[in-house]
Amino acid sequence: EDQVTQSPEALRLQEGESSSLNCSYTVSGLRGLFWYRQDPGKGPEFLFTLYSAGEEKEKERLKATLTKKESFLHITAPKPEDSATYLCAVQASGGSYIPTFGRGTSLIVHP
Amino acid sequence: KAGVTQTPRYLIKTRGQQVTLSCSPISGHRSVSWYQQTPGQGLQFLFEYFSETQRNKGNFPGRFSGRQFSNSRSEMNVSTLELGDSALYLCASKDGEQAPYEQYFGPGTRLTVT
Repeated sequence: EDQVTQSPEALRLQEGESSSLNCSYTVSGLRGLFWYRQDPGKGPEFLFTLYSAGEEKEKERLKATLTKKESFLHITAPKPEDSATYLCAVQASGGSYIPTFGRGTSLIVHP
Repeated sequence: KAGVTQTPRYLIKTRGQQVTLSCSPISGHRSVSWYQQTPGQGLQFLFEYFSETQRNKGNFPGRFSGRQFSNSRSEMNVSTLELGDSALYLCASKDGEQAPYEQYFGPGTRLTVT
């Protein structure tokens, strides 16, 4: 069974204080790993797709990296508007292609 | 392109009633998936439709059903509502038949069962 574990569950940062969110996964074969951002009461917003170990993608203050067992979402010099829940999901090769989501990391950035 | 739209945005129902939620995917997207999101369980997959056919189904009771129309719009129905069905119901669409294609989510329908 595919599993996704995100840590920490919650993270509080001061504005400008860089940090990383972790997504550990267990999957028979990885087809793709996705990062989403979700604001309260809204649907998840797609951020990145990573396909293979060693791959990196960046968007503004966010950088996602991937290894064979985990992915990191690095947040550089965060701003209060980066406050949100960040979700990770994996899609296994073969089978039904249904993504498995982690429980998310709730990030709060204080000004 | 317009994003995924869901109606209604908020709904309050009583136990035992039934409810129908609607989702319009991004233009050109043929796959529509439905998820239930609760604080306790996170995002749980309900079902996926592709070209009017249910392609995948999650572990939910038969009270949860769905369908997709020829224009790719989708509806999900929950019959005999229970208190535990209170949740944010999310619809997501994607372009392409196979993985890995990222999904684009709608704003959700907040269902409260009293």
